[in-house]
Amino acid sequence: SQKIEQNSEALNIQEGKTATLTCNYTNYSPAYLQWYRQDPGRGPVFLLLIRENEKEKRKERLKVTFDTTLKQSLFHITASQPADSATYLCAPSYLGGRRALTFGSGTRLQVQP
Amino acid sequence: EAEVAQSPRYKITEKSQAVAFWCDPISGHATLYWYRQILGQGPELLVQFQDESVVDDSQLPKDRFSAERLKGVDSTLKIQPAELGDSAMYLCASSSGQGTSKAYNEQFFGPGTRLTVL
Repeated sequence: SQKIEQNSEALNIQEGKTATLTCNYTNYSPAYLQWYRQDPGRGPVFLLLIRENEKEKRKERLKVTFDTTLKQSLFHITASQPADSATYLCAPSYLGGRRALTFGSGTRLQVQP
Repeated sequence: EAEVAQSPRYKITEKSQAVAFWCDPISGHATLYWYRQILGQGPELLVQFQDESVVDDSQLPKDRFSAERLKGVDSTLKIQPAELGDSAMYLCASSSGQGTSKAYNEQFFGPGTRLTVL
């Protein structure tokens, strides 16, 4: 069965630095991958979607890469701010599937002022 | 700005009791999802509707869980009887489900219902 791995340990960085979060998947080839942000006690919020034929996607201070050979997506936040502190979830899906997204367990990011 | 509504926000119940959660998706969204999220884990799909039809309920424990979306708009998720292991956040999400890649649309989540089973 497909497996999605995100670093379960919290990532602590200093304000202004670039945060890099990793999402690895196995046993299938998703047609696209989404990233969501989740604050404590709230529902996830969509951030970015990247398709299998796209190497990189940017939105303001966010950048996502998608390496289908390595079966990995990297999520970057540049010039990080304390307000970026949250849990970030990756969610790959696969071509032709009616199934909804399959979420990783998320990585908690803590940006220190 | 349109939002997914859920109620109640919090529910405490005793095991063996019945509970029900309600979700009102964003107007016009054809696809509705119910997820369960255990603390420290990602959301896990329970059931997916396209309009009023179930398209995926393979992960729904059907001996105790049921879900319906009778008119293809709002939806109810029921647990009967509740068990201790059902304590979790229950999230509803919707997406527009438009186009050939309708499964690929971003999902809009509600605030969730935090269920505690004693």
